[in-house]
Amino acid sequence: QKEVEQNSGPLSVPEGAIASLNCTYSDRGSQSFFWYRQYSGKSPELIMFIYSNGDKEDGRFTAQLNKASQYVSLLIRDSQPSDSATYLCAVNIVGGYQKVTFGIGTKLQVIP
Amino acid sequence: NAGVTQTPKFQVLKTGQSMTLQCAQDMNHNSMYWYRQDPGMGLRLIYYSASEGTTDKGEVPNGYNVSRLNKREFSLRLESAAPSQTSVYFCASSTGVYNQPQHFGDGTRLSIL
Repeated sequence: QKEVEQNSGPLSVPEGAIASLNCTYSDRGSQSFFWYRQYSGKSPELIMFIYSNGDKEDGRFTAQLNKASQYVSLLIRDSQPSDSATYLCAVNIVGGYQKVTFGIGTKLQVIP
Repeated sequence: NAGVTQTPKFQVLKTGQSMTLQCAQDMNHNSMYWYRQDPGMGLRLIYYSASEGTTDKGEVPNGYNVSRLNKREFSLRLESAAPSQTSVYFCASSTGVYNQPQHFGDGTRLSIL
């Protein structure tokens, strides 16, 4: 079992819809969760991070964390064609320093 | 505000050649990382340096060596390049605190012929 799992997609949504991206992780001791966006040919850029159970909102983005079920999700409201990218979930692995494991990423396509 | 700077951006090597990928950060971060990204494989950690003076192997260290030259710089060396090392290489840095994110450089696209 991979430590961090994501559906590779592509996930296609119409412009203006809500895109829901999901990620599950295996280590129950994981403490920090990050979402990165990666455009084709570019480097990952941080969108959001979440540490506590529940929702965290930042503009059109909402991160949701459920530690009991070991999943974290990213909702993108009012999806735009410019949101088309691969979204990487990253999970902090318990240890004495900061090291994360990345999922393979979900490719999102927003259709105009 | 440069952040994490990687050089070169592109490189083509022949099998058996050696080269060093350079990475420098100006954010006073303690920890630095080298990843490779291959289609369908996601980001895989090659080596990391939790703090200046320390380096440790990641998930896929074979065929690579690293040097943490100082707090700012972390280099990755391929001693004898192989076609399997064709990939996109990313350097990243972080404060080293567990709840702080990593910041990535623009990447080096490396082809081994």
